[in-house]
Amino acid sequence: QQQVKQSPQSLIVQKGGISIINCAYENTAFDYFPWYQQFPGKGPALLIAIRPDVSEKKEGRFTISFNKSAKQFSLHIMDSQPGDSATYFCAASVPGNQFYFGTGTSLTVIP
Amino acid sequence: DVKVTQSSRYLVKRTGEKVFLECVQDMDHENMFWYRQDPGLGLRLIYFSYDVKMKEKGDIPEGYSVSREKKERFSLILESASTNQTSMYLCASKVGGPQETQYFGPGTRLLVL
Repeated sequence: QQQVKQSPQSLIVQKGGISIINCAYENTAFDYFPWYQQFPGKGPALLIAIRPDVSEKKEGRFTISFNKSAKQFSLHIMDSQPGDSATYFCAASVPGNQFYFGTGTSLTVIP
Repeated sequence: DVKVTQSSRYLVKRTGEKVFLECVQDMDHENMFWYRQDPGLGLRLIYFSYDVKMKEKGDIPEGYSVSREKKERFSLILESASTNQTSMYLCASKVGGPQETQYFGPGTRLLVL
């Protein structure tokens, strides 16, 4: 079964708007939650990551919000730009163990 | 910069052929992974390796095998390719220990006819 559930499958946002992608998990042993960004023809690349001892992490226009009690985490992209158009994957892992990826969100930012 | 390279960007094979996908990383990473990526299913782990000559099954190992004879190289083998193995294959590597970042190669798009 899917260890990490991601929504929505696709997202269209106007330039300058906020893009929000959500993920949920069940395994409370997960302690590392990265987000990967993938452009067409490229492999995924780490965008931002969080550990469950903090509720929020911000890097530039990208913010992860983490709700440990709800077992949910989300990616917020502020002031979305056409260059942000890509597929985004959330993931979760236990230290030293495999990563479990969400099913991906295709983001399109229209000018 | 970490570099993960995959031997082919595109491959077309016939059903029943033996297929080799090669992955090489240049950062002396202990851990290497093979995933397949399919629309709506995300990335699914096929096999991974923590060290030379060591391998562990991921979530979907059926129909695949792997080989890791050298630290920098991790090969994925389709013993007898089938049409349901048409997919994008991604290789990744990472250091051992608490550093969790996986670095991905550009992917190999395999079409089995």
